[in-house]
Amino acid sequence: GQQVMQIPQYQHVQEGEDFTTYCNSSTTLSNIQWYKQRPGGHPVFLIQLVKSGEVKKQKRLTFQFGEAKKNSSLHITATQTTDVGTYFCAGPISSGSARQLTFGSGTQLTVLP
Amino acid sequence: NAGVTQTPKFQVLKTGQSMTLQCAQDMNHEYMSWYRQDPGMGLRLIHYSVGAGITDQGEVPNGYNVSRSTTEDFPLRLLSAAPSQTSVYFCASSRDYRTDTQYFGPGTRLTVL
Repeated sequence: GQQVMQIPQYQHVQEGEDFTTYCNSSTTLSNIQWYKQRPGGHPVFLIQLVKSGEVKKQKRLTFQFGEAKKNSSLHITATQTTDVGTYFCAGPISSGSARQLTFGSGTQLTVLP
Repeated sequence: NAGVTQTPKFQVLKTGQSMTLQCAQDMNHEYMSWYRQDPGMGLRLIHYSVGAGITDQGEVPNGYNVSRSTTEDFPLRLLSAAPSQTSVYFCASSRDYRTDTQYFGPGTRLTVL
């Protein structure tokens, strides 16, 4: 079945360093969503990318959607302790009667002060 | 709006017991889903519903039942709890699985002894 893979699983950075997480799908996606989950919390929507090659920015966060719409990345510039958490990508599946949003396994970011 | 609510927040069961995890949303969303989250496994879809009276299986449905009698409520039933079902359970809702933001509840932390 369709899979959404995410790397790395864990990332430790010093405060002020940059961070990138990568998401790859086995099939073309109509769109991709990114979520952030703080420790002990629930996933919260960050952004959705729809167009091939799309780049969106939210302050220090930069999101990209690949030209083939099979991969995406999230880059954080100059990390802060408030960036700590797990970042998930998610893509929709419509196969047969299935109507699902499939999440990647997530990248857990630790920021060392 | 309360958004998505889940009860209970914590639960301890003995092997073989049954219970129902409650989920409700007040946003008139058609799409609702249940995920379980285990360390290193990301969010795995258990069951989902595209509207009242319609449910379908996700990636890991065994041992769980759902029903959707109203738009607002989507309870998850554990038929005979097993230690492998120890996890954090999240309910989510959205207008549409494909293009709309998923709103997550605060989660239920379940331990099966």
